[in-house]
Amino acid sequence: QVQLVQSGAEVKKPGASVRVSCKTSGYSFSSYGISWVRQAPGQGLEWMGWISPYGNTKYAQNVQGRVTLTTDTSARIAYMELRSLTSDDTAVYFCARAYSATSPSDRLDSWGQGTLVTVSS
Amino acid sequence: EIVLTQSPGTLSLSPGERATLSCRASQSISSLYLGWLQQKPGQAPRLLIYGASSRATGIPDRFSGSGSGTDFTLTISRLEAEDFAVYYCQQYLTSPHTFGQGTKVEIK
Repeated sequence: QVQLVQSGAEVKKPGASVRVSCKTSGYSFSSYGISWVRQAPGQGLEWMGWISPYGNTKYAQNVQGRVTLTTDTSARIAYMELRSLTSDDTAVYFCARAYSATSPSDRLDSWGQGTLVTVSS
Repeated sequence: EIVLTQSPGTLSLSPGERATLSCRASQSISSLYLGWLQQKPGQAPRLLIYGASSRATGIPDRFSGSGSGTDFTLTISRLEAEDFAVYYCQQYLTSPHTFGQGTKVEIK
């Protein structure tokens, strides 16, 4: 079955960077994109961006310049790196399979379990 | 940015009752690009409905979606114990792919 397994919780200091991984299985990695969504404590969902299996990206404007999405197609892993962290970046970060490999405009039909990133001095 | 406004914020209902959740967009969206997700505490969201009215794989038929333009609805025909959760609508037409603020369906 389709699975997305994310890396473990992280604690970072303000100004640092974090990289979260999303290891996929159970489907053809080259046929779907990956989106990243975050959720601050007690808050709603915020879309951060999308990456195709071949590296095309689309970022939300509010994190553009601080976030980089990458993939390792051979290993079937997607990565999200966020730089210059502040306390506002404390959140659970989710990866999700996007139904299209060529366009970000498609549904998110399978989700990782989430990775808590805490930014604290 | 397309703003999605969900109502009500909280819906208090009993098992077996019908739930009707609303999602209003700040501008017209093709129904192809509107989805509904369910989230339970401590869990990842789960896709229920895509394209405004198509059920995702494995979703029971008590969940249905409808609507067009700026007004969309998620209906749960008869609430079961496992349906008490937070529900989000999402548009994936234009970047950023925004979510509504959520409707919590709680046990009355």
